[in-house]
Amino acid sequence: DSGVTQTPKHLITATGQRVTLRCSPRSGDLSVYWYQQSLDQGLQFLIQYYNGEERAKGNILERFSAQQFPDLHSELNLSSLELGDSALYFCASSVAGTGFMNTEAFFGQGTRLTVV
Amino acid sequence: LAKTTQPISMDSYEGQEVNITCSHNNIATNDYITWYQQFPSQGPRFIIQGYKTKVTNEVASLFIPADRKSSTLSLPRVSLSDTAVYYCLVGYNTNAGKSTFGDGTTLTVKP
Repeated sequence: DSGVTQTPKHLITATGQRVTLRCSPRSGDLSVYWYQQSLDQGLQFLIQYYNGEERAKGNILERFSAQQFPDLHSELNLSSLELGDSALYFCASSVAGTGFMNTEAFFGQGTRLTVV
Repeated sequence: LAKTTQPISMDSYEGQEVNITCSHNNIATNDYITWYQQFPSQGPRFIIQGYKTKVTNEVASLFIPADRKSSTLSLPRVSLSDTAVYYCLVGYNTNAGKSTFGDGTTLTVKP
């Protein structure tokens, strides 16, 4: 158990809809990262928040947005969903605010989103 | 971030030692080398991290030559449960950091 909790584990929704994925970081970690992993593809970095503020942005679509709340949990909002948005969405947390290249990140078990 | 190159896939048999090499020719002075393991439909898991020479923990060893332009993850006596994707990350925490993963190496352990 990494200590990072993601809900829901599975989500099935229709095209055009909007969903919210939730992540609770490991206790004491101030940074939250969101990743998308499509079938047979690598982990695509979406966005990072540190202590409530956006810290780094990757290839996140304009239809997607995220935020981190005062209790440090984070939500990833996906809107106007398309079939191609079907993927595993992972959340990770770390102590440092500047990435985890020389520290360690802890990943949740992911949310599997299926758009039909 | 330093660009990394790993083999796309590797096969091994149970009980063998597996060495996965990662090339990172443009590694910077402050960069660290980190390996993660990912099982299907699960989040990546930190395996080991090092800066130079050799690092060993309860699951793996990491060998880094003096020039640091490559590194080798060594998994002793693999089992079927070691079948996974292994990612090599090279970099250092920076204010502009984007914590990215490469393509990884798919290790298949056969009975």
